[in-house]
Amino acid sequence: GAVVSQHPSWVICKSGTSVKIECRSLDFQATTMFWYRQFPKQSLMLMATSNEGSKATYEQGVEKDKFLINHASLTLSTLTVTSAHPEDSSFYICSARDRGKGNNQPQHFGDGTRLSIL
Amino acid sequence: LAKTTQPISMDSYEGQEVNITCSHNNIATNDYITWYQQFPSQGPRFIIQGYKTKVTNEVASLFIPADRKSSTLSLPRVSLSDTAVYYCLVGDMNNAGNMLTFGGGTRLMVKP
Repeated sequence: GAVVSQHPSWVICKSGTSVKIECRSLDFQATTMFWYRQFPKQSLMLMATSNEGSKATYEQGVEKDKFLINHASLTLSTLTVTSAHPEDSSFYICSARDRGKGNNQPQHFGDGTRLSIL
Repeated sequence: LAKTTQPISMDSYEGQEVNITCSHNNIATNDYITWYQQFPSQGPRFIIQGYKTKVTNEVASLFIPADRKSSTLSLPRVSLSDTAVYYCLVGDMNNAGNMLTFGGGTRLMVKP
């Protein structure tokens, strides 16, 4: 149980295009999902907290107009990288918790999306 | 948020027991300790979580002393496939919006 799925797993696109990444909780509902970014040989860095039915909360230094987050349902959050540039190339990972099983549940992560901007 | 400190890297050999220690001196009363494993180009995978004393599951044990200022992940009889980065995280699991702050992690290399 508690499976989080991301799509796509790998995307390559030209500079200036926008890319949408989907994060789904397959067998539970998640009112909150989290988006992370990870550069090679580095740790995960939290970008934003996605809240179902309301605006996302962004970490300091993360441009909300650059990284659009939509959490329209209890099982889906999307991250859109707008007008992507080579410096946006990274590994993007989402996570969520299954609160339906009560408190003290750990976060479960998707398998990530490798974004390469040419 | 409680900050965590782990060794940057560790080496071991197949069949050995590996213990990775994490320091979290400013852990709060409501904080739990959670360990994740990450392989290259994959998302972190949950290993084990605990609040105090000892927790054991089918893959690992977690030892937490009484003062909770540190914790030790124990991997029994590691294999080559256990080569990965291991992250220790501390946070309030009762907080629905609690995000996780990742430290640098420990890069474990298991040799034949």
